[in-house]
Amino acid sequence: GAVVSQHPSWVICKSGTSVKIECRSLDFQATTMFWYRQFPKQSLMLMATSNEGSKATYEQGVEKDKFLINHASLTLSTLTVTSAHPEDSSFYICSAPRLLAGLHNEQFFGPGTRLTVL
Amino acid sequence: GENVEQHPSTLSVQEGDSAVIKCTYSDSASNYFPWYKQELGKRPQLIIDIRSNVGEKKDQRIAVTLNKTAKHFSLHITETQPEDSAVYFCAASRDNYGQNFVFGPGTRLSVLP
Repeated sequence: GAVVSQHPSWVICKSGTSVKIECRSLDFQATTMFWYRQFPKQSLMLMATSNEGSKATYEQGVEKDKFLINHASLTLSTLTVTSAHPEDSSFYICSAPRLLAGLHNEQFFGPGTRLTVL
Repeated sequence: GENVEQHPSTLSVQEGDSAVIKCTYSDSASNYFPWYKQELGKRPQLIIDIRSNVGEKKDQRIAVTLNKTAKHFSLHITETQPEDSAVYFCAASRDNYGQNFVFGPGTRLSVLP
């Protein structure tokens, strides 16, 4: 299957600092990628849709100035958590759709990044 | 917007028994319903999906049924094995590209040896 990577896999930072998370589609191009946040023992919540060549679209309640998304190329999207605070500690997962044979898309998820803000 | 409910939240079964997880959705325009398995600290993995033009789909020990009229779909796992233990998420989407991709709250399945 298609491969989506994330970097870093985990990060610990001090409150007030910014953290950048990368999401890469390794063997296919993705004009759209999705960013999710998952708190412990909870479901995946869509934060935003990253669009190559245009601005990201954010879900209701997600601060676009706090969670900066840049879709730099057809294989890379970055999520920057600015001025991180302990409540931002979570598991962040990206996904990218790939068109498969039969002309349907399948979402491929990255391995996730665990962010801990002290 | 779409709202996906999932039951039960936890499920324990004996090895070899069957497990059934049910989801309901609210948006009648949804037409794609995937199921994901997520092991602790790992990425969700697609295990089976179904589109609205199909009522049932099976892949070895896993099957999914869809009732569009009632707006619910179910995951069936037969002959469960310990490695089936994980959290399972259902999702609903208006399109299989991922927009309006809403996950259910998840079901923690434990298969007891």
